[in-house]
Amino acid sequence: DQQVKQNSPSLSVQEGRISILNCDYTNSMFDYFLWYKKYPAEGPTFLISISSIKDKNEDGRFTVFLNKSAKHLSLHIVPSQPGDSAVYFCAASATGGGNKLTFGTGTQLKVEL
Amino acid sequence: GAVVSQHPSWVICKSGTSVKIECRSLDFQATTMFWYRQFPKQSLMLMATSNEGSKATYEQGVEKDKFLINHASLTLSTLTVTSAHPEDSSFYICSARDFGNPYEQYFGPGTRLTVT
Repeated sequence: DQQVKQNSPSLSVQEGRISILNCDYTNSMFDYFLWYKKYPAEGPTFLISISSIKDKNEDGRFTVFLNKSAKHLSLHIVPSQPGDSAVYFCAASATGGGNKLTFGTGTQLKVEL
Repeated sequence: GAVVSQHPSWVICKSGTSVKIECRSLDFQATTMFWYRQFPKQSLMLMATSNEGSKATYEQGVEKDKFLINHASLTLSTLTVTSAHPEDSSFYICSARDFGNPYEQYFGPGTRLTVT
């Protein structure tokens, strides 16, 4: 039962353009969402998060949008840079659930010159 | 800040032996640490939640007698894979939660375990 899904296993974007990574979830108890970036053989690095009381959070080139009614969130990276090439995981947690993270399956982003 | 280390970064062991992996929070105290495993091209799967001074809580399907977790202090948790078998070969990652922010987890660099 995959409660957090990233339906695009890969995404290719040109440098300077916008990257949009999508994530869907099924558990309505999730109330906090995070995006992590991961390189091979390394641990995930926290990028940005959003609480369910908000619909947008921005940090530099990264913006996360949350649509609670659709149970959908997205990460926008603009402008995309070659160094952004990595696997991106969305994760969700529920208050009262021990703040355990449930991860999506990941999207491999490749930013091309 | 919020640095988590893991040791070793990679280990090769023979089938039937035990392997211990350490996870340390270097610049903050972590009352809770988490252990994940990741198979190639798959997501991170939570194995267990480790709480300082108490028994770990294991996710469904994870053998507690095979994956021994000890959270001895506010900065150290260990995962011991006992009687390892080739199917235990995986990438093991720990994370730690900063007491000041219960939602965000900071991850270690991971440990690649290969059982021959």
